[in-house]
Amino acid sequence: DSGVTQTPKHLITATGQRVTLRCSPRSGDLSVYWYQQSLDQGLQFLIQYYNGEERAKGNILERFSAQQFPDLHSELNLSSLELGDSALYFCASSVDSNLPGGTNYGYTFGSGTRLTVV
Amino acid sequence: SQQGEEDPQALSIQEGENATMNCSYKTSINNLQWYRQNSGRGLVHLILIRSNEREKHSGRLRVTLDTSKKSSSLLITASRAADTASYFCATDAWGAQKLVFGQGTRLTINP
Repeated sequence: DSGVTQTPKHLITATGQRVTLRCSPRSGDLSVYWYQQSLDQGLQFLIQYYNGEERAKGNILERFSAQQFPDLHSELNLSSLELGDSALYFCASSVDSNLPGGTNYGYTFGSGTRLTVV
Repeated sequence: SQQGEEDPQALSIQEGENATMNCSYKTSINNLQWYRQNSGRGLVHLILIRSNEREKHSGRLRVTLDTSKKSSSLLITASRAADTASYFCATDAWGAQKLVFGQGTRLTINP
């Protein structure tokens, strides 16, 4: 158990639907990162939150949105789902403050949510 | 887009042999990290090397970094069947606020 909790572990849904993925970061970590992993695109950074604020955005589609709540858990919302959205979605957390010099420590990853869109 | 490019894409060796994986990247970095991923599971942080460091050790792992060539290598000595996994390098560029991962090397250790 890494200390980062992601739910659900598996999700099967139909095209056009909307789903919410949930992440609880490791205790004490203020930063939460979302990544998408697919066979053809590899690990793609989606978005980062630090202490409730959005700090960095990557290749996140407009159909996707996220937020971090006051208790630091985060949710990734995926809407108007397409077959190509099928992937593993990972949440990671880190203890670092949000300095431009970057992280001094590694990320702790959750076990992921496997999303299958049919 | 991927900043790190790993080589080889796949590597198969006998148990007890050493495994070397390479990573090249494109921009200036704050640090470079290596992660392991067992099939379909979360990534596990292995080691972090800062841009002003040239070599780092952790148990059977040895990482080198050459910022002039923008490359890094991960050496796993005395490999074990449990080392079978995918290995990713990830770069932390100045001001990027995120790690950018390579495509990974799939390592298979044959008993």
